[in-house]
Amino acid sequence: AQSVTQLGSHVSVSEGALVLLRCNYSSSVPPYLFWYVQYPNQGLQLLLKYTSAATLVKGINGFEAEFKKSETSFHLTKPSAHMSDAAEYFCAVSSSFNDMRFGAGTRLTVKP
Amino acid sequence: DAGVIQSPRHEVTEMGQEVTLRCKPISGHNSLFWYRQTMMRGLELLIYFNNNVPIDDSGMPEDRFSAKMPNASFSTLKIQPSEPRDSAVYFCASSLHRGSLTEAFFGQGTRLTVV
Repeated sequence: AQSVTQLGSHVSVSEGALVLLRCNYSSSVPPYLFWYVQYPNQGLQLLLKYTSAATLVKGINGFEAEFKKSETSFHLTKPSAHMSDAAEYFCAVSSSFNDMRFGAGTRLTVKP
Repeated sequence: DAGVIQSPRHEVTEMGQEVTLRCKPISGHNSLFWYRQTMMRGLELLIYFNNNVPIDDSGMPEDRFSAKMPNASFSTLKIQPSEPRDSAVYFCASSLHRGSLTEAFFGQGTRLTVV
């Protein structure tokens, strides 16, 4: 069975600072990995995905993530946080069986 | 495309009543997922369908929960009888599975409150 662990349920950064949200996965087969963002009272929106092509994946809104097989990690980063980035972020793993499972989420707060 | 459409957006019901949540996936998608989101348990996969066939329902919490997908454009999640601990936001998502995976697109969710 596959799973993801998101380290830190709550991350707070200052506007303009680096954003780093951590995700580690467990999978017995080559994984597909995703980051989603959820704004209040909204569904989840895809930020980026890794599907075994380039290990450094660029997404929307300036976010990117790097797949590191040796560390079983897929951390999400953004060089400079904006106030509009405040939201909850979910890491997810899936396989060719299409069973997408999510981490517990990390709430990002951006301070002015 | 209008995206994944869920109805109702909000549902308040009394304990013991039957609740039916509805989902219309994106046209052309062949996979459909039902998730439940709570503060305590996060986002849980309840069940998913490929080509209208339930593949894995191991996440369905109890026999009180059932899901159907009678055709490619409609799915329901039913809770009978409902209990206060079923209060949560229920999300439906769909994707196109063609051997290589594409992402899931989510609906706006149904916020269920059981009193």
